[in-house]
Amino acid sequence: GIQVEQSPPDLILQEGANSTLRCNFSDSVNNLQWFHQNPWGQLINLFYIPSGTKQNGRLSATTVATERYSLLYISSSQTTDSGVYFCAVGGKPNFGNEKLTFGTGTRLTIIP
Amino acid sequence: DGGITQSPKYLFRKEGQNVTLSCEQNLNHDAMYWYRQDPGQGLRLIYYSQIVNDFQKGDIAEGYSVSREKKESFPLTVTSAQKNPTAFYLCASSTSGGWTEAFFGQGTRLTVV
Repeated sequence: GIQVEQSPPDLILQEGANSTLRCNFSDSVNNLQWFHQNPWGQLINLFYIPSGTKQNGRLSATTVATERYSLLYISSSQTTDSGVYFCAVGGKPNFGNEKLTFGTGTRLTIIP
Repeated sequence: DGGITQSPKYLFRKEGQNVTLSCEQNLNHDAMYWYRQDPGQGLRLIYYSQIVNDFQKGDIAEGYSVSREKKESFPLTVTSAQKNPTAFYLCASSTSGGWTEAFFGQGTRLTVV
């Protein structure tokens, strides 16, 4: 199956700083999603971005499918941005690729 | 409101007992998934279903069972054969398969006492 690696595993930043989280994957994908897991454990959808660039407020994401990586940018960090960020990928619609595979996450801590 | 509902939010089980976690969605999604998350870890796939009356094992299916008798429901049973059942369980659904956008429920925290 597709392998997903996220980096860095941990990131500690001062409030107001910018950050870049990376997701590398081992094969062609038809689905790439970024999630934020809040302190209560719920996974919040940030972006559905199998290719291209999207922006939503202070967050933006870019996926370069041909080079098999995606980046999540967080600008002007706030303490509410703290939590774990997951990247998840799904392959092309062929047998065996029906599942969504998660990376191990990046734990972001924003210090006031 | 459309969404995915997991119940209960917290569940305590005595060792040796089976327990069933509920997952219901009203998004008209064909595909549904169950993931397990251990403290400080990522999500691992237990079972998934792309269509009613069909489901496939994920990476850690041993000790678990599922059914998909209705499109909107995908219950997960944690059996006594599951050696370390204490974990956070998340259910998700998507339009069709892992190549479409998935949405998650709020999760169930299972503790074996």
